[in-house]
Amino acid sequence: AQSVTQLDSQVPVFEEAPVELRCNYSSSVSVYLFWYVQYPNQGLQLLLKYLSGSTLVESINGFEAEFNKSQTSFHLRKPSVHISDTAEYFCAVSERKNTGFQKLVFGTGTRLLVSP
Amino acid sequence: GAVVSQHPSRVICKSGTSVKIECRSLDFQATTMFWYRQFPKQSLMLMATSNEGSKATYEQGVEKDKFLINHASLTLSTLTVTSAHPEDSSFYICSALRGGLAGLEQYFGPGTRLTVT
Repeated sequence: AQSVTQLDSQVPVFEEAPVELRCNYSSSVSVYLFWYVQYPNQGLQLLLKYLSGSTLVESINGFEAEFNKSQTSFHLRKPSVHISDTAEYFCAVSERKNTGFQKLVFGTGTRLLVSP
Repeated sequence: GAVVSQHPSRVICKSGTSVKIECRSLDFQATTMFWYRQFPKQSLMLMATSNEGSKATYEQGVEKDKFLINHASLTLSTLTVTSAHPEDSSFYICSALRGGLAGLEQYFGPGTRLTVT
């Protein structure tokens, strides 16, 4: 079974400052890793994912995450945040399989609060 | 991107009554949908997997007779909370699986806030 830990329930940051949202996972098998974002009153949206290959993955809006197998981490970073990045961010993991649906296991979420 | 809707967004009901929540994939067909439950300050917990034309698969500890799931078409799954009690108050979120490598293209609805009084 897999588990995900997001230690920070809330991260306040000023606009244009860098930010890192931490995610650690536990699994006895190989995994896929995801970051989802939830804006107020909206559903979860896939921000980025790691499947294989380069351990650094990027989103279209400037976020990036790096898969670190030795530290079992998948931290999310952005060098300069905007007010519009204020949202809830969820890290998730699923077991790596060739076929069939892999269940998503979510962390508890981190609320990013960007202020002027 | 793909859109998944949920209705209603909020519902308040009295203890002992039943409540139905709808989940629709608006611009794609989904043979598989999922129902999650989210408590405050906690992660999304998968309740069940809804498969079009067949019975839902429930996660361990989820009462199938209490949380009835019907996947009547390729665009609609419903969750009915039967004989609701205050402890059933929660945020219910659905998602729909769209093509691609299985399990990697889930699109989520905005959620339904259920309050049982």
